[in-house]
Amino acid sequence: QKEVEQNSGPLSVPEGAIASLNCTYSDRGSQSFFWYRQYSGKSPELIMFIYSNGDKEDGRFTAQLNKASQYVSLLIRDSQPSDSATYLCAVQDNAGNMLTFGGGTRLMVKP
Amino acid sequence: DAGVIQSPRHEVTEMGQEVTLRCKPISGHNSLFWYRQTMMRGLELLIYFNNNVPIDDSGMPEDRFSAKMPNASFSTLKIQPSEPRDSAVYFCASSFKGADTQYFGPGTRLTVL
Repeated sequence: QKEVEQNSGPLSVPEGAIASLNCTYSDRGSQSFFWYRQYSGKSPELIMFIYSNGDKEDGRFTAQLNKASQYVSLLIRDSQPSDSATYLCAVQDNAGNMLTFGGGTRLMVKP
Repeated sequence: DAGVIQSPRHEVTEMGQEVTLRCKPISGHNSLFWYRQTMMRGLELLIYFNNNVPIDDSGMPEDRFSAKMPNASFSTLKIQPSEPRDSAVYFCASSFKGADTQYFGPGTRLTVL
């Protein structure tokens, strides 16, 4: 049973701060990792994906991957109230098809 | 492009009735995924298709659930008979096979009374 674990939150940060979202996964053979954002009542939308150990930056977002520790994180710099949403971590199987999602972390950015 | 289209957006039905959810993937995508999302269980993959062929249906909860993809532009998820515990939001997503990004439809919110 492949598992993807996230703290459900809510994670509350003040506007302008760095939000740090974490995810661990059980399948050591996983190669691809994704962060989706889901606003209340809406569908998930992809923010970033990462394949290699280390950091990947895209604007205010940085994804970090440590395969040895089976750990993925998402940093959001200069957090804005519009970033308030649930963030879903997803891990792709080796065949490059199925995604297993974590339960999501609810982020609240307070003005 | 119109994105992934799902219908209906909301469905309220009574226990025992048949429910059919519909999905039109993004044109050109050859992988299609059906997910169910609940507060208790999160987002779960039910079944996925590659080139209209079901590849993995291990997430389908019971024989009451069935899914078809008769052509590249249409898929259905059927629940017969429906039960209150089937109440959830059902998402359809599509992608190019083996590609990075799955694009989600707006979802169908199903309520079984």
